Amino acid sequence: KAGVTQTPRYLIKTRGQQVTLSCSPISGHRSVSWYQQTPGQGLQFLFEYFSETQRNKGNFPGRFSGRQFSNSRSEMNVSTLELGDSALYLCASSLTRGQGSPLHFGNGTRLTVT
Amino acid sequence: AQTVTQSQPEMSVQEAETVTLSCTYDTSESDYYLFWYKQPPSRQMILVIRQEAYKQQNATENRFSVNFQKAAKSFSLKISDSQLGDAAMYFCAYRSAYGNKLVFGAGTILRVKS
Repeated sequence: KAGVTQTPRYLIKTRGQQVTLSCSPISGHRSVSWYQQTPGQGLQFLFEYFSETQRNKGNFPGRFSGRQFSNSRSEMNVSTLELGDSALYLCASSLTRGQGSPLHFGNGTRLTVT
Repeated sequence: AQTVTQSQPEMSVQEAETVTLSCTYDTSESDYYLFWYKQPPSRQMILVIRQEAYKQQNATENRFSVNFQKAAKSFSLKISDSQLGDAAMYFCAYRSAYGNKLVFGAGTILRVKS
């Protein structure tokens, strides 16, 4: 079974631009969560989608948005990029919500904003 | 809000020796899960071990075991017979029983000496 796939692996953008990151969950998984990892702030929860609906959102500005498609694939978008958005963005999928259903992580997308 | 604290930014262990990584958390919930994740330089977050809060028995997974003290809100990870491949960043994480949001600690870098 293929794992969680995130594309692209690396991305370089300029301040003010926007970016879209993609996450394909493990087949059959319906929940997708996104996390931002930076040296200063550590790992922070961005949002969670389940059955195409956002179920939970972290404390990030409205420039960060996401969506989930009917095949459970998810995208996150960051508009008007700032230097502080440079980070590793991790996606995790899970079969269901709650009940301790294990989260499986992808290899992440490394975003650099110049 | 839940918080997770890892007070050891870095730890070292000799190959074949035992090391314990510390983690404390704060929550008002009674039903939750605790996890230890490993993140090697490849960046992928790998689940090491999981503990259900309602279980008094400490979880074990081969060379990895936890000491879960619910009243003290403590959740330490013991790695026995340390191997070079254990070298990584280790994150302690909390998750409510009712959703998929993970709250991570700051992480502990584990170095294994040969």
